[in-house]
Parts: sequence; C-alpha cells; structure tokens
Amino acid sequence: EAQLVESGGGLVQPGGSLRLSCVASEFTFNAYPMNWVRQAPGKGLEWVSYIGSSSSPIYYADSVKGRFTISRDNDKNTLYLQMNSLRAEDTAVYYCARMYSSSRLKIFDPWGQGAQVTVSS
Amino acid sequence: EIVMTQSPVTLSVSPGERVTLSCRASQSVSSNLAWYQQKPGQAPRLLIYGASTRATGIPARFSGSGSGTEFTLTISRLQSEDFAVYYCQQYSNWPPLTFGGGTKVEIK
Repeated sequence: EAQLVESGGGLVQPGGSLRLSCVASEFTFNAYPMNWVRQAPGKGLEWVSYIGSSSSPIYYADSVKGRFTISRDNDKNTLYLQMNSLRAEDTAVYYCARMYSSSRLKIFDPWGQGAQVTVSS
Repeated sequence: EIVMTQSPVTLSVSPGERVTLSCRASQSVSSNLAWYQQKPGQAPRLLIYGASTRATGIPARFSGSGSGTEFTLTISRLQSEDFAVYYCQQYSNWPPLTFGGGTKVEIK
C-alpha cells in the first residue's frame, strides 16, 4: 500500500523559513505528480502546489507564489516544500498527496499524515 | 478560479439514516469532481471521483451523482464510522485545484 510520511514541521517566527519533506514508499514515486495541500486550524482544505513526475510543470496557489518552492528528488523518493517569508496565515497542517493524473483525472490519493507548521512570534 | 460551495455546513443525523450532501460549482466542471472524507486528526481519504465512481475499497453505501454545477454525495445508511467532514474538489479547470468548504456530519 502506498505510503507518504511528512517531516520538517515546527514553530517558526514570521518572516522565517522552513523546509518540509515527504518520503514516499510502496509505489513508483517517479511515475506520479505530487502535491502539497494545507489545512489551517479549524478550516477546510487548500491546494498549495503541484509538481509533475519529472519536476515539470510546477504550479502554485496565488497565496504562496514567490515565497514557496516545491521540488522533488526521484532518486530519494522524496518531495519537498521550501517555505520562505512565512506569515501567520501560513499556519496549517501541510499534507503531501500523490496525484492520480490523466487527461481527465486530477485527484489526490493517498495523503500523508500531515506536518504541523506554526508561524508565530 | 472555480469556487466550490458545499451545503449544509453541518448535518446532524442518527445512525442508519440516509444522508445527502450537496456541492455546487461556480461554473461547469462537467464530471470532474471528487469527494473526500476526513475524520478528526486524520488525513483526507478519497471516496469518489468522476462525480460517481467509488475509489478502491469504498463501501457501496457511498454514492455520488451530478454533473455540470450541481453534485450530491449520498450515504445510504449512515454507520458510526461515517461521522466525519466531507469535501468536494473540482479538477476541471486548474490551476488552482479547489475544494469546497466541507460538510460536517455529526451524531444527532
């Protein structure tokens, strides 16, 4: 069964940086696009970023464009999210999610357990 | 950006009841719609894609319908493990991929 495990979350001051990692196992990582989706406390789901199976194309939500960078290392089966210039409104649980992608499908399955990111002074 | 609106926000039901959740898109998404279930403290889980196709391992009591801008998730007979928050997601026009605000199904 496919598995995703995030790490790297924590408490950071406004304006600071943090890098999340997501290690994939039990599936062919380099065959799938990957995504980050976040959930602020008590709120719904917000898509953050997408990266193609070979690191292209890359897309971002407007709310993080220019501050966050998604990347992947297919040799290490690992997805990353570099978060810079963090703001209080970036406080959320960050999930990595494999994407089933075809011309007609863009769905998330499975999801990791999530990494808590708290931006506060 | 396509805005997804779910209703109601909260639904109070008894085990064994039939439940209907609604999701509306701000413009047509054809059948490019998925449903996810999220239990407290857990990651979301894919239930339905293509508006009506159950994901692997999802019980038959879950069904999806609709196309265009109006969609429905039905749970035929609610079981205790079904109390959760349900989200719809469109993948017709992206980026961005967008979710509805969620419907919480709670015990009456």
